[in-house]
Amino acid sequence: SAVISQKPSRDICQRGTSLTIQCQVDSQVTMMFWYRQQPGQSLTLIATANQGSEATYESGFVIDKFPISRPNLTFSTLTVSNMSPEDSSIYLCSDRLGGGGGYTFGSGTRLTVV
Amino acid sequence: DAKTTQPNSMESNEEEPVHLPCNHSTISGTDYIHWYRQLPSQGPEYVIHGLTSNVNNRMASLAIAEDRKSSTLILHRATLRDAAVYYCILVTGGYQKVTFGTGTKLQVIP
Repeated sequence: SAVISQKPSRDICQRGTSLTIQCQVDSQVTMMFWYRQQPGQSLTLIATANQGSEATYESGFVIDKFPISRPNLTFSTLTVSNMSPEDSSIYLCSDRLGGGGGYTFGSGTRLTVV
Repeated sequence: DAKTTQPNSMESNEEEPVHLPCNHSTISGTDYIHWYRQLPSQGPEYVIHGLTSNVNNRMASLAIAEDRKSSTLILHRATLRDAAVYYCILVTGGYQKVTFGTGTKLQVIP
């Protein structure tokens, strides 16, 4: 299975600023997924990122707030823009190699907005 | 919307087997049943998956009902390191997005 390196692992940011989260995969993967997990809650899908095309966003998430880049098959970034305290959460990336295997997740980015 | 239903929490004594149930009454013929677990302060970790037949791996066993409307993740001997939130999700073949339900928080008692 693929290994995902996600960074930063945590950050404390001022409201109104932006943070870019990076995920590096050790294998080429077709699609990557970005999730948000609020404290004590389950994972909520933000968007699906395919290499070479615009990301597909889930209801309630918009590109202006969560722009995503997918420049190649091993890397993706998620930016949390114009942050407010309500954006404080854990953000995770994920991928699936295919071939019937499972999804692999990064270790998450714990974001606190003050 | 989540397509699976799991108990919010379960307890198990250490070194005893644990059976974690999952209901997925609206499962389609092409949906695989996946299980993941999330340890504190970590991302979810793949545990096991299956389509129709029961499956075993080094981590756990997956028992799938004949009508596929439910499944059970079996941890043969629970350890303290198995304390986590366990998620049962349905995955359509290919690279489809998945929806996580609330999962089952497993507490292992020494």
